[in-house]
Amino acid sequence: GQQLNQSPQSMFIQEGEDVSMNCTSSSIFNTWLWYKQDPGEGPVLLIALYKAGELTSNGRLTAQFGITRKDSFLNISASIPSDVGIYFCAGQLDSNYQLIWGAGTKLIIKP
Amino acid sequence: NAGVMQNPRHLVRRRGQEARLRCSPMKGHSHVYWYRQLPEEGLKFMVYLQKENIIDESGMPKERFSAEFPKEGPSILRIQQVVRGDSAAYFCASSQRGLSRRDTGELFFGEGSRLTVL
Repeated sequence: GQQLNQSPQSMFIQEGEDVSMNCTSSSIFNTWLWYKQDPGEGPVLLIALYKAGELTSNGRLTAQFGITRKDSFLNISASIPSDVGIYFCAGQLDSNYQLIWGAGTKLIIKP
Repeated sequence: NAGVMQNPRHLVRRRGQEARLRCSPMKGHSHVYWYRQLPEEGLKFMVYLQKENIIDESGMPKERFSAEFPKEGPSILRIQQVVRGDSAAYFCASSQRGLSRRDTGELFFGEGSRLTVL
């Protein structure tokens, strides 16, 4: 089946550090969605991207739709404790509109 | 609360019993998706429904699992004769537009139903 490679799988960072994660695939996507899931909760939409090259911000979060339409990245600047959680990417395939999910990036902030 | 509503939040069943999970989509949304999540794992797509229709059930096991989204009322995910391996969090999401169109609708998730099979 179609696959999205999300990396890293987990990140251990210090409060205040910037964070970067990405999703890549061999397939072409027409939409990228980034979600965050807190423990015991459902995923919450952070950023939606609809055009190749699009760069969108939501507070300290910035995401980009790769120009090749095969990848996307999410950056978090100046991380704070409430940023901990699991971040998921999801891309909609251009070929059949199916939504494909990454396996998640677990963000842990070191005390 | 106009968000996606799931109930129950927690459900405990013994092996062989039935589990019914309910999902009311956001107001104005007619597309519902069910996902399953095991601890420390990602979301696994199960089924995509539109009112009274199953659009894509490719992620749902052929036996014991069924889903419906009737004209009136919530979407139901039903698991018959549950086994320990069914223990997981089941998330429902809804969207205003379906994934069959180029301009996809963003998915909004409920808080999940956590099934524990003893």
